[in-house]
Amino acid sequence: AQKITQTQPGMFVQEKEAVTLDCTYDTSDPSYGLFWYKQPSSGEMIFLIYQGSYDQQNATEGRYSLNFQKARKSANLVISASQLGDSAMYFCAMILWGAQKLVFGQGTRLTINP
Amino acid sequence: DAGVTQSPTHLIKTRGQQVTLRCSPISGHKSVSWYQQVLGQGPQFIFQYYEKEERGRGNFPDRFSARQFPNYSSELNVNALLLGDSALYLCASSLASGYTDTQYFGPGTRLTVL
Repeated sequence: AQKITQTQPGMFVQEKEAVTLDCTYDTSDPSYGLFWYKQPSSGEMIFLIYQGSYDQQNATEGRYSLNFQKARKSANLVISASQLGDSAMYFCAMILWGAQKLVFGQGTRLTINP
Repeated sequence: DAGVTQSPTHLIKTRGQQVTLRCSPISGHKSVSWYQQVLGQGPQFIFQYYEKEERGRGNFPDRFSARQFPNYSSELNVNALLLGDSALYLCASSLASGYTDTQYFGPGTRLTVL
């Protein structure tokens, strides 16, 4: 069975600092995708970044990068130069080849302080 | 381009009633997935439909059903509502149903069961 673990319930960071949100996953399937989503208080899940299990390079999207360490089964999200608008819940999720469902972690609440 | 839309935004029902939630995917997307998010938790997978066929079902009772229409929009029905069905219901669309297909979420329908 697939499982996602996010061990940081909450993180507090000063504006303009970089922040790393942790995510570890558990699967024996070699083919999978890893996603990070941002959920503001409004409730909508906003897609941030994707990493495929066979991708050789770490994914980057603007200020977001994914630190993918396959042997450790970790997929940490790095946000550079944090902004006040980055305050939200952040979810790590995984989908297996042949499966149709995203499996989410419990989330990390990120608060950016001015 | 318009994103995923969901209606209604909010809904209040009483125990035992039935509810229908609606979702319109991003233009060109053929897959729709439904998730339930209880307060304080990550979303849980309910259904996925692709090309009007059910491709996956989560661990939810038969009171939950869904369908996808020829225009790829979708409805989620919940019968005999229980207090525990109170949650944010999220719809996501993707081009197809593979593990490399990013799921884009709508704003959600917040259901309260009294």
